[in-house]
Amino acid sequence: DVKVTQSSRYLVKRTGEKVFLECVQDMDHENMFWYRQDPGLGLRLIYFSYDVKMKEKGDIPEGYSVSREKKERFSLILESASTNQTSMYLCASSLRGGNTEAFFGQGTRLTVV
Amino acid sequence: AQSVTQLGSHVSVSEGALVLLRCNYSSSVPPYLFWYVQYPNQGLQLLLKYTTGATLVKGINGFEAEFKKSETSFHLTKPSAHMSDAAEYFCAVRGVNAGNNRKLIWGLGTSLAVNP
Repeated sequence: DVKVTQSSRYLVKRTGEKVFLECVQDMDHENMFWYRQDPGLGLRLIYFSYDVKMKEKGDIPEGYSVSREKKERFSLILESASTNQTSMYLCASSLRGGNTEAFFGQGTRLTVV
Repeated sequence: AQSVTQLGSHVSVSEGALVLLRCNYSSSVPPYLFWYVQYPNQGLQLLLKYTTGATLVKGINGFEAEFKKSETSFHLTKPSAHMSDAAEYFCAVRGVNAGNNRKLIWGLGTSLAVNP
């Protein structure tokens, strides 16, 4: 079974802190994604990576950065956490082909206080 | 721009009743289409996908969806709802343009409630 593992299920951080969300996949997928999910807004893409050290901005990259130093690991960084970044964060991975599905982690519910 | 529309943000059915969740998409070329389910406080899980071939696609947990090109639709159905089907359901289409062909374009989701 494909496994996408996010490092934390629940996280509470203070305003201004630098926050790292980690994601690891074990299926040698080329593509990895970070989404945030908010009620009524669906899934919004923050960043994605299609290869090691390669990244592209998604729809809402402001306030976030990413790192992909190894193929299996994709990190999301909140440079200075703010309360409006309180959300559910979902990591996903997929093979390169267009007909392939994305596999998701369990999500990290981040609360910034 | 490509888009996915899920009609009805909330759908409520009785246990044993037909489940119908609607999804319409826009795409200039034959699309790859996906349905995902999300149970409370969980990640998303693939229910089924359409890539090529048979337009009626069967998925897990008794769900199926039919690709109708003329209607640009990919509605999700299940003949008889179970209490365990209560969840959020998302429809997605693969991007086809140079800028988005690595990404999925998502609908906003439909929350399904199943009443006893």
